[in-house]
Amino acid sequence: QKEVEQDPGPLSVPEGAIVSLNCTYSNSAFQYFMWYRQYSRKGPELLMYTYSSGNKEDGRFTAQVDKSSKYISLFIRDSQPSDSATYLCAMSVSSYKLIFGSGTRLLVRP
Amino acid sequence: KAGVTQTPRYLIKTRGQQVTLSCSPISGHRSVSWYQQTPGQGLQFLFEYFSETQRNKGNFPGRFSGRQFSNSRSEMNVSTLELGDSALYLCASSTTGAVTTGELFFGEGSRLTVL
Repeated sequence: QKEVEQDPGPLSVPEGAIVSLNCTYSNSAFQYFMWYRQYSRKGPELLMYTYSSGNKEDGRFTAQVDKSSKYISLFIRDSQPSDSATYLCAMSVSSYKLIFGSGTRLLVRP
Repeated sequence: KAGVTQTPRYLIKTRGQQVTLSCSPISGHRSVSWYQQTPGQGLQFLFEYFSETQRNKGNFPGRFSGRQFSNSRSEMNVSTLELGDSALYLCASSTTGAVTTGELFFGEGSRLTVL
């Protein structure tokens, strides 16, 4: 069983929809949680970072962490075609490596 | 500000050969990490270097090795290539290497195909 599970998708939504992306994990020691976005033929780029449990909002993006359920989410409001990409969750205990989910492909249709 | 540069971007090798990939981090960044990305496994951590010292290593066989030079540029080497080594190899740089805030800046990767 992988430490971090993420539905690969693809997830196809119409423009303007609210998108919910999720990851579950098994290691209760994870303290730091991130979401990366990866466009085709590009490297991942950091979208959101959250420490421990709670919510964090940045523009159209909201990250949620529920440590009791070992579940993290990324919500995208008013989705745009430019949001079409692969979204990767990542988490860390407190060292120099990140554990990534396998990524969810998102397609926002105009 | 120039980003992380990886070379070559694409390469094709045959089984049993070896390959060397190069990564130039963002100026001023002293930490370089390497990740392997495959469709089935996602991104998996290979190793991390800081000031020419390997500080952390993932669960990969000894065929995978790396090094960092005094100018922070890094190389990784894969010897005796296997078909399963076909992947996108991503390099990421950061100031300290501490990933707790996720501030890793990734290059566009080197896509290796092993035939």
